[in-house]
Amino acid sequence: AQSVTQPDIHITVSEGASLELRCNYSYGATPYLFWYVQSPGQGLQLLLKYFSGDTLVQGIKGFEAEFKRSQSSFNLRKPSVHWSDAAEYFCAVVPSGNTGKLIFGQGTTLQVKP
Amino acid sequence: DAGVIQSPRHEVTEMGQEVTLRCKPISGHNSLFWYRQTMMRGLELLIYFNNNVPIDDSGMPEDRFSAKMPNASFSTLKIQPSEPRDSAVYFCASSPQGTWGYTFGSGTRLTVV
Repeated sequence: AQSVTQPDIHITVSEGASLELRCNYSYGATPYLFWYVQSPGQGLQLLLKYFSGDTLVQGIKGFEAEFKRSQSSFNLRKPSVHWSDAAEYFCAVVPSGNTGKLIFGQGTTLQVKP
Repeated sequence: DAGVIQSPRHEVTEMGQEVTLRCKPISGHNSLFWYRQTMMRGLELLIYFNNNVPIDDSGMPEDRFSAKMPNASFSTLKIQPSEPRDSAVYFCASSPQGTWGYTFGSGTRLTVV
């Protein structure tokens, strides 16, 4: 079945440590790929997106993501996490050929230890 | 730009009552989306519009839910009658068609008691 999966429901990292959040998709063709962040009680903010071209995408707040076609993955990374990065992170896709239906993964909650 | 504006921010209603959620998309965005977020089911797409026309309403849970977009600057999501299991945060998002630049509103937290 077509889906987008975030294997980690909850991740805890220490402030200053590096971060990688995983995202895998299951679609026949490469979809458009997105990462969003949601702070408690807030809406969703776009961190970055990938449509084509360079497989390493830079986003806001120091985040980057790498598209790996062979692994059907689009993992989010940050070299050094700040306490303010604690939030829920969503990977999302627009399936190839679709008219715009943005489909979300289940989300990963990031906790940052001081 | 004021962003996507949703109202009300919070709504508490009794079971059986009609609930109307409102959304004003960003000017110039011609795609509009309604999502529901719950702990159990995460973010679910309910319906989306392109140029005020409903394109895909397969996510609308049942006939109690209806959505309209009478013009490019306004959309409503109505639940009639409401049930406790409809309690969730409802998000509206808009995007310029074909550019995938989705902007989300702050959401409406609905509680049905």
